[in-house]
This record gives sequence, structure tokens and C-alpha cells, in this order.
Amino acid sequence: KQEVTQIPAALSVPEGENLVLNCSFTDSAIYNLQWFRQDPGKGLTSLLLIQSSQREQTSGRLNASLDKSSGRSTLYIAASQPGDSATYLCAAPNSGGGADGLTFGKGTHLIIQP
Amino acid sequence: ETGVTQSPTHLIKTRGQQVTLRCSSQSGHNTVSWYQQALGQGPQFIFQYYREEENGRGNFPPRFSGLQFPNYSSELNVNALELDDSALYLCASSFRRAAGNEKLFFGSGTQLSVL
Repeated sequence: KQEVTQIPAALSVPEGENLVLNCSFTDSAIYNLQWFRQDPGKGLTSLLLIQSSQREQTSGRLNASLDKSSGRSTLYIAASQPGDSATYLCAAPNSGGGADGLTFGKGTHLIIQP
Repeated sequence: ETGVTQSPTHLIKTRGQQVTLRCSSQSGHNTVSWYQQALGQGPQFIFQYYREEENGRGNFPPRFSGLQFPNYSSELNVNALELDDSALYLCASSFRRAAGNEKLFFGSGTQLSVL
């Protein structure tokens, strides 16, 4: 059974800092890993999807890496802004075929202070 | 291209009642999955529908059931509501080309409160 853990649970930093969010998963037989953003009381927005054949994926100020052998992924946010304040969730598939959905971590609640 | 829409946005029910939540998939998507998110937790997988058939299910009892229609919209039905069913219910759609690697697009969710 896939288990996903995210560290830290919460993070508060001043605007402009670069930061790293961590995600670990127990079943490394995954074909991808996804990072999502969730604003309070809202749905999830997909940020990055890293396929198992890739080591990292970039979108603007966001960079996500994947190390299947160690069961870890990191989300790097450069030059943080107050608008980045949200909960960030990582999710790994429950099986190779994808029909058994994703297992999510509990998320990292991020606050960027102006 | 329209996104994933869910209705209603909020719902209040009493214990023992039944509820139906609705989801319209993003245009062109043929797969829909449902998740339950309790306060302070990550979403938990309920089930997935592909071409109108359930093809994956999480650890939820049979009183959680669903449907997918020919236009790929979907319903989540919950019978005999319990207090612990209070949560944000999220629908996600994707286009399944092959096993894996499809991005999920989520709706804004339905907040269900069971009193």
C-alpha cells in the first residue's frame, strides 16, 4: 500500500526566499508523481507531473525532482511571493496501471510573508 | 475548453440521509475519479470511472457508489450518511491514453456537512 509523507507540515517564510518542500513515498514502482496546489476551501490545481523516466520538471519558478530509488521528491520554489501562499500536496499512484487512484500526502501549508 | 465543474458547492444533510453529488468532466476527458478530503488531510481515493465503468476503487464501503454517463459526466452517491462523511468531495477528470502519465484536473469540490 502506497504511503506518502510530506515535510514540513507548515512553513512560514519572508517574501523572496527560495524554499524546498519534501515528499517521500513507500512504493517506488510508480510511473509518475504529481504536485498540486490547494487554496483554502478549494479544489486542487496541478502544478507539475514528473514521469518515472524523468528526474525533474520545471514550470516558471517551480522545479520538481524525482528520485525513485530513494522514494523522494522535492518541490523547489524560487523567489517566493505572497501569492504562493497555499497548501502544496504531492501524490503518487497506488498501482502501476493508475486505476487505483492516487495517494496524497497531508500537504505542506505555506505562508509567504509580505 | 471548459474545466471540471461540480455541484452543489455546499450541502447540509442529516445522518441516515442519502446524497448525490455531480461532476462535469473537462471537455475531451474520458476518465473521472472521486476523492474525499477531510479537514486537514490529503484527499483519499474513492473510485474511478473509465468509459462508464468503475475500474478502480479505494477503501470505501459499498454505500459509496457512482455513475459515469455517455458524456463522461459523473455522479457520486452516498447512502446512509454518517457524521464522518462530512468532508470536501473532489472530482477529477483526465484523458486516459495509456496506463499512467495523465494529469488530473480537479473541480472546486462539494463541501458536505452531515449533522
